[in-house]
Amino acid sequence: RKEVEQDPGPFNVPEGATVAFNCTYSNSASQSFFWYRQDCRKEPKLLMSVYSSGNEDGRFTAQLNRASQYISLLIRDSKLSDSATYLCVVRSLYNQGGKLIFGQGTELSVKP
Amino acid sequence: GAVVSQHPSRVICKSGTSVKIECRSLDFQATTMFWYRQFPKQSLMLMATSNEGSKATYEQGVEKDKFLINHASLTLSTLTVTSAHPEDSSFYICSARGERAATEQYFGPGTRLTVT
Repeated sequence: RKEVEQDPGPFNVPEGATVAFNCTYSNSASQSFFWYRQDCRKEPKLLMSVYSSGNEDGRFTAQLNRASQYISLLIRDSKLSDSATYLCVVRSLYNQGGKLIFGQGTELSVKP
Repeated sequence: GAVVSQHPSRVICKSGTSVKIECRSLDFQATTMFWYRQFPKQSLMLMATSNEGSKATYEQGVEKDKFLINHASLTLSTLTVTSAHPEDSSFYICSARGERAATEQYFGPGTRLTVT
């Protein structure tokens, strides 16, 4: 079983749509959680950290459920520029030296 | 945010040759650097973690004699792919982090390696 698993995608949505990505992680010792965005042939860029209380950054809302080891990302009013691959990432500081573990990514394509 | 550079951005080499990729932190001291590999349509897979002045720690399944990592200073780490084969063709990305494990990792722009 992969340590971080995401919806397989791709997601093809019209502009203005709301889209939700799901992610589960297997290591209960994971302590930090992130969503990264990766454009084609580019490096991943941090989109937002994810906190237990849930957090919002403009059109983006991230949620974390530690009990079920589940992370989500909601994008509202999607824009053409949101087209990218979204990577769910977890980090454990204790037994993995703080390394980031990436999910396989979910591709989003926003169409006019 | 902090800046990490990689050089070269793209390289084509012949099978059997070695290729060196440099990763530099431009405005902070990178105590730890990470090397990832990404095949098309797949996610980033960590290859190894290097701490300045120490030997790198390789992930399971990554050949340390094939992928030589040197982290001789707080601003530079190198990955050398030795005796490259076509199956080594991939996108190699480094990231750098400061002293504390909880600090953010900053990613380099990646190096696209094609082995012919």
